[in-house]
Amino acid sequence: GESVGLHLPTLSVQEGDNSIINCAYSNSASDYFIWYKQESGKGPQFIIDIRSNMDKRQGQRVTVLLNKTVKHLSLQIAATQPGDSAVYFCAETTGNQFYFGTGTSLTVIP
Amino acid sequence: DGGITQSPKYLFRKEGQNVTLSCEQNLNHDAMYWYRQDPGQGLRLIYYSQIVNDFQKGDIAEGYSVSREKKESFPLTVTSAQKNPTAFYLCASSLRGDIYGYTFGSGTRLTVV
Repeated sequence: GESVGLHLPTLSVQEGDNSIINCAYSNSASDYFIWYKQESGKGPQFIIDIRSNMDKRQGQRVTVLLNKTVKHLSLQIAATQPGDSAVYFCAETTGNQFYFGTGTSLTVIP
Repeated sequence: DGGITQSPKYLFRKEGQNVTLSCEQNLNHDAMYWYRQDPGQGLRLIYYSQIVNDFQKGDIAEGYSVSREKKESFPLTVTSAQKNPTAFYLCASSLRGDIYGYTFGSGTRLTVV
């Protein structure tokens, strides 16, 4: 029979609002994390990274927060723009191999 | 400009055929990786290679084969033994020992017809 893929979590925001995308990671020993943006039919693009000795890192319009106690990572996008519409996923590693999250689909409403 | 190039962008395969996906990089990266991406799932590692003429199986290597005869090239063959090959395939590269510097290609969408 036909297989049905899992549905991605989705987030819809108004243009200009802030977006928060969450990721729960699995390995408490992971010491490096990356957020990627992936547009339809394209490869993932690096957005921002953070090492486990930090709990916050800021880039241009993006901030990553790391809570090691509950193994949670979040990506905040300020003043969300239509060009931010994409799937966002996190990746974690202990330095050996990356493990990737399933992603969240962000839609920006003009 | 340096980068990683995957070709073709779209590929159609008939049942029972082998197909080869190309991945070329001019970043002078030692390590190269192949991932499979399915809807609603995270990227899964198929094969990786840290140096020329050496490669290791990833988490889902069954039904796939690779070669690494040149530093720049890491082709992936999807064999007829792969029961569900329809997916988006991504190639990545990094400096050896520097897993933190991943660069991804733009992907190949393989469809079985």
